[in-house]
Amino acid sequence: SQQGEEDPQALSIQEGENATMNCSYKTSINNLQWYRQNSGRGLVHLILIRSNEREKHSGRLRVTLDTSKKSSSLLITASRAADTASYFCAPWMDSSYKLIFGSGTRLLVRP
Amino acid sequence: EAQVTQNPRYLITVTGKKLTVTCSQNMNHEYMSWYRQDPGLGLRQIYYSMNVEVTDKGDVPEGYKVSRKEKRNFPLILESPSPNQTSLYFCASSLGVPGLYGYTFGSGTRLTVV
Repeated sequence: SQQGEEDPQALSIQEGENATMNCSYKTSINNLQWYRQNSGRGLVHLILIRSNEREKHSGRLRVTLDTSKKSSSLLITASRAADTASYFCAPWMDSSYKLIFGSGTRLLVRP
Repeated sequence: EAQVTQNPRYLITVTGKKLTVTCSQNMNHEYMSWYRQDPGLGLRQIYYSMNVEVTDKGDVPEGYKVSRKEKRNFPLILESPSPNQTSLYFCASSLGVPGLYGYTFGSGTRLTVV
């Protein structure tokens, strides 16, 4: 299975600090996606990083991918209270037709 | 606005009473999928559809049915709901395989079966 496992399960930081979440997976992948979910709402696609990319940026988000360690990290810089949400990674293999999500990291940004 | 629309948003029903949760997308997406989300279990895929009249089971299909008669609609049918189907349900669509294009999710349907 190419399911990702996010770590930590929960993270609490002060507004303005950086938040780092990690994702590990077990098989070789073609790309990896990160999603955000605000409480009880649908997931929102944040970023996709391909297996031949090491780092990708989108606004205050920075994603890294280390295929040798089968891991990815999501960094949110200068966090805001509005970043409070759960964050999920979803690794992808081209031979699969399913995108599998882990249990996510719950991020709380305190004002 | 490009979106996936699910209805209803909340539903309380009784055991055994057939129900349908509707899902519609306005983005001409090929791929659609249903997930359920339960505490501690994350999101689990119920069914998916790669195109009209093409559906396949996900990881937890028991007790559910789907159909894809039109590209935009992908209803989820519970023929005889049971309390273990109490969950938060999400419909999602993608331009093609979601691993290449990413998903657009609906806002969710919170179902309670008593």
